[in-house]
Amino acid sequence: GENVEQHPSTLSVQEGDSAVIKCTYSDSASNYFPWYKQELGKRPQLIIDIRSNVGEKKDQRIAVTLNKTAKHFSLHITETQPEDSAVYFCAASTPNFGNEKLTFGTGTRLTIIP
Amino acid sequence: DAGITQSPRYKITETGRQVTLMCHQTWSHSYMFWYRQDLGHGLRLIYYSAAADITDKGEVPDGYVVSRSKTENFPLTLESATRSQTSVYFCASLVRLAGVSNEQFFGPGTRLTVL
Repeated sequence: GENVEQHPSTLSVQEGDSAVIKCTYSDSASNYFPWYKQELGKRPQLIIDIRSNVGEKKDQRIAVTLNKTAKHFSLHITETQPEDSAVYFCAASTPNFGNEKLTFGTGTRLTIIP
Repeated sequence: DAGITQSPRYKITETGRQVTLMCHQTWSHSYMFWYRQDLGHGLRLIYYSAAADITDKGEVPDGYVVSRSKTENFPLTLESATRSQTSVYFCASLVRLAGVSNEQFFGPGTRLTVL
């Protein structure tokens, strides 16, 4: 089955700097890659996703890039703010299940230092 | 979101007892999921359901049982709880936006402690 590895497990950045979280996946058939954000004590929520037919997607200060050849994708957060502090999870899925079933990475705890 | 709820929010039980965690969604989403969240493991899929009366195993199904007699409910039962099942459990449902995204909406979670 699919295996998703996520790095780093913890990340601290100064407010205003950029943060990058990287994930690799094992199944070359995977074609859908969402990112979820989980604030302390809250539920995970989708913040951005990308399909394999595009290499990059942006939404304001966040962006995701995908390298299908290398089987890795990354989350980029620019101009970080205190409210960006959270745990971020990447995930991957294959069309075998209509992209319903997600395999998650182990998470990255991002801390923004004021 | 009020659309997907879990109960109880907190539960303490003892080894060997049966425990049922409830999940209810008001959107009539076809797909529903149960995950457990543990430090160092992220979110791991226990079971999922494509529709009423259709369920399938996920990554870590051992020790758990699910049922789905109605679209809106997806209970998870620990038949004989073990300490290794101490975790935070999240239920989720899926809305598919054709050609755009498959967003999973998560419930608020149930923190289960097995003593």
